[in-house]
Amino acid sequence: DAKTTQPPSMDCAEGRAANLPCNHSTISGNEYVYWYRQIHSQGPQYIIHGLKNNETNEMASLIITEDRKSSTLILPHATLRDTAVYYCIVRAWNRDDKIIFGKGTRLHILP
Amino acid sequence: DSGVTQTPKHLITATGQRVTLRCSPRSGDLSVYWYQQSLDQGLQFLIQYYNGEERAKGNILERFSAQQFPDSHSELNLSSLELGDSALYFCASSGFTRIDTEAFFGQGTRLTVV
Repeated sequence: DAKTTQPPSMDCAEGRAANLPCNHSTISGNEYVYWYRQIHSQGPQYIIHGLKNNETNEMASLIITEDRKSSTLILPHATLRDTAVYYCIVRAWNRDDKIIFGKGTRLHILP
Repeated sequence: DSGVTQTPKHLITATGQRVTLRCSPRSGDLSVYWYQQSLDQGLQFLIQYYNGEERAKGNILERFSAQQFPDSHSELNLSSLELGDSALYFCASSGFTRIDTEAFFGQGTRLTVV
């Protein structure tokens, strides 16, 4: 079973920041938080990951709470192309830890 | 382009048949994962291989099997196909020889069983 909880859907206006929450209250000390997205039946695309510090890359920012029980993915300036299902995943950094997807959040970017 | 190649892109076959889906991971990646995604459903983890060995198993049916070869490419074999096996099948690869361990996904094989 997935170890994360996400809202099933969210709307965001084009050009605004999209903030996608994720709860992972049972996360272990050696588990990272990963975010992926899937654009309509394409292969999932890696976005960002982090352990306990906030992270930023060219696609998004990841804010992890101090207790690591929740996180927020931020798309700073959402465009219509960001319409997708976003998945928050926790997994340990070892070769045996499978990647389990939950139901994700379906993000609709509104023009 | 993720660097993960899946072939074929589309496959139509009849019930009762057997098919083989192929996955070529990114260069240097030793870990391969297989997923099934039925229409409007989530991504179901099937199986993971690392360096030729099975490492983790999900809800993979007994009619399905997989293997990873010495060059790291992997094949997913689906036999005695049923209508309900129609789905997108994705493979992903990742490496554990560097800090970044994110998995990269192929574009999938769409299997239609008629």
